[in-house]
Amino acid sequence: EVQLVESGGGLVQPGGSLRLSCAASGFTLSSFSMHWVRQAPGKGLEYVAAISYNGGTTYYADSVEGRFTISRDNSRNTLYLQMGSLRAEDMAVYYCARVGVNSAFDYWGQGTLVTVSS
Amino acid sequence: EIVMTQSPATLSVSPGERATLSCRASQSVSNNVAWYQQKPGQAPRLLIYGASTRATGIPARFSGTGAGTEFTLTISSLQSEDFAVYHCHQNNNWPWTFGQGTKVEIK
Repeated sequence: EVQLVESGGGLVQPGGSLRLSCAASGFTLSSFSMHWVRQAPGKGLEYVAAISYNGGTTYYADSVEGRFTISRDNSRNTLYLQMGSLRAEDMAVYYCARVGVNSAFDYWGQGTLVTVSS
Repeated sequence: EIVMTQSPATLSVSPGERATLSCRASQSVSNNVAWYQQKPGQAPRLLIYGASTRATGIPARFSGTGAGTEFTLTISSLQSEDFAVYHCHQNNNWPWTFGQGTKVEIK
């Protein structure tokens, strides 16, 4: 069974840092591109960052470029999102998602909440 | 960036009735559109990819049509478990973008 389990969310002050993890199981992580997608309270979905199957290519939304870093450790079956210089507008549930057939997100984690507040 | 505009924002439907949800892209995205269902407190679930192909395990009452800039998700006969928020998503151009969602509520 494919599973994605996020962790690392929590309360952080503005300007602070946080690292999210996404543990993958039930499939070979190294065969799939992965993304982070976030959802602010009561809002829609927003793409955050993407990484190719081998980590060689990354993409970022303009809103997080230069502040967030996506990475992966295929040997540990884990995806990461290092977040820095956090702002109030970064407060959201962060989901990791697998890119499957026809480039759709076929599996999602349950999400981890990031709260940015002093 | 391609803007995906969903309409209506909220759709009130009685169980057993048909629901038709629309998604318009600000420029052509070919057939590279997916639809997701999201219930409160849950992650999104893939329903449709490639504009019209149902994902594994998705009931036949869900269907998707469209190409270019106009896309539709139809739920032929709403069941109680179908009341949720539905998101469209284009994966044709970077950055990939989502619509703002349509909430399907019980009338």
